[in-house]
Amino acid sequence: QVQLQESGPGLVRPSETLSLTCTVSGSSINTGYYWGWIRQPPGKGLEYIGSIYQSGSTYYNPSLKSRVTMSIDTSKNQFSLNLSSVTATDTAVYYCARDQVYYFDNWGQGTLVTVSS
Amino acid sequence: SSELTQDPAVSVALGQTVRITCQGDTLRTYYASWYQQKPGQAPVLVIYNKDNRPSGIPDRFSGSSSGNTASLTITGAQAEDEADYYCNSRDSSGHHLRVFGGGTRLTVL
Repeated sequence: QVQLQESGPGLVRPSETLSLTCTVSGSSINTGYYWGWIRQPPGKGLEYIGSIYQSGSTYYNPSLKSRVTMSIDTSKNQFSLNLSSVTATDTAVYYCARDQVYYFDNWGQGTLVTVSS
Repeated sequence: SSELTQDPAVSVALGQTVRITCQGDTLRTYYASWYQQKPGQAPVLVIYNKDNRPSGIPDRFSGSSSGNTASLTITGAQAEDEADYYCNSRDSSGHHLRVFGGGTRLTVL
């Protein structure tokens, strides 16, 4: 069974960069899947951030594209999210998930990131 | 980009059948998937590729689609089905993007 685990700082200062890593276990990250990031502001719905393929090809939500960078490290079975110039509106639970193009079948437990000074 | 529209809230009596809908032009081209999310937990996939259930999902959950509308039906709703439900599909813009509906809060009475 594939398992995903998000890690990273729980508090980020405004205007700085949010950096999260997702560690995949139970499956090689090199097995032809996409890997995605989704976030959920407190009390609100799910928002797609973007996805990355094992080759490094990326697809970003247009509303976040100018601030998002994703990368993949196949040697560590990890993929990462960087979101720059954060504001309070970026406060959310951030999930990583395996992206089967038409659905996300395995999700991490999520990590709350608060943007505050 | 595409949008997916869901009713904010739906209620159902215990043991009855409820249908949760999701509307969007992209659903004319791509299948919807559905997720259940309980408070403080990560979303769980309950239906994918229109009408397929992952292993471990009860068969009271089913999916269907017609035109620009996808539906999640719970036949014989149980108390544990009370949750938020989100639809998801691929964006029809051709840029490999994904899109989520706004979510439906299901209350089991």
